Amino acid sequence: DSGVTQTPKHLITATGQRVTLRCSPRSGDLSVYWYQQSLDQGLQFLIQYYNGEERAKGNILERFSAQQFPDLHSELNLSSLELGDSALYFCASSVGPGVAGELFFGEGSRLTVL
Amino acid sequence: GDSVTQMEGPVTLSEEAFLTINCTYTATGYPSLFWYVQYPGEGLQLLLKATKADDKGSNKGFEATYRKETTSFHLEKGSVQVSDSAVYFCALSGWPGNQFYFGTGTSLTVIP
Repeated sequence: DSGVTQTPKHLITATGQRVTLRCSPRSGDLSVYWYQQSLDQGLQFLIQYYNGEERAKGNILERFSAQQFPDLHSELNLSSLELGDSALYFCASSVGPGVAGELFFGEGSRLTVL
Repeated sequence: GDSVTQMEGPVTLSEEAFLTINCTYTATGYPSLFWYVQYPGEGLQLLLKATKADDKGSNKGFEATYRKETTSFHLEKGSVQVSDSAVYFCALSGWPGNQFYFGTGTSLTVIP
């Protein structure tokens, strides 16, 4: 158990809909990262937050947004969903910048868009 | 910018064979290096890490040595088992920003 909790584990929805994925980081970790993993692609970095502030942005679509709340949990919002958004979405946490630690991953949220 | 390049797969080996998965990196500064493993249907978990040049990370029979002169962090195991079948990701963390960069992953299948 990594200590990172993601909900829901599985989600099936239709094109055009909007979903929210939730992540609770490991206790004491201030940084949260979101990744997308599709069948034919590797791990795509979406966005990173540190202590409530956006820290870095990767290949995140404009239809996607995220935030980190004061209690450090994070949410990834996916809107106007398309078939191609079907993927595994991982949240990971780390202590934060300035500390050479590793990433701890959640078990992922599997999104299926029909 | 920082990046990681790892050996493309898939790799298929017989049980007890020797495994090498190559990983090279490009980074400014002094990154930490990691190998993560993803078993079927699961999230990524840390396999081993090294935080400075010449460090050797090891776990579950896997080893990797941080080679600054060749900018490499190759993963090795002397005798693979069926249970090692998984996808392996090489990664680096840039210091001090703690940005993580992952390779594309190498799928390993071990057959009895």
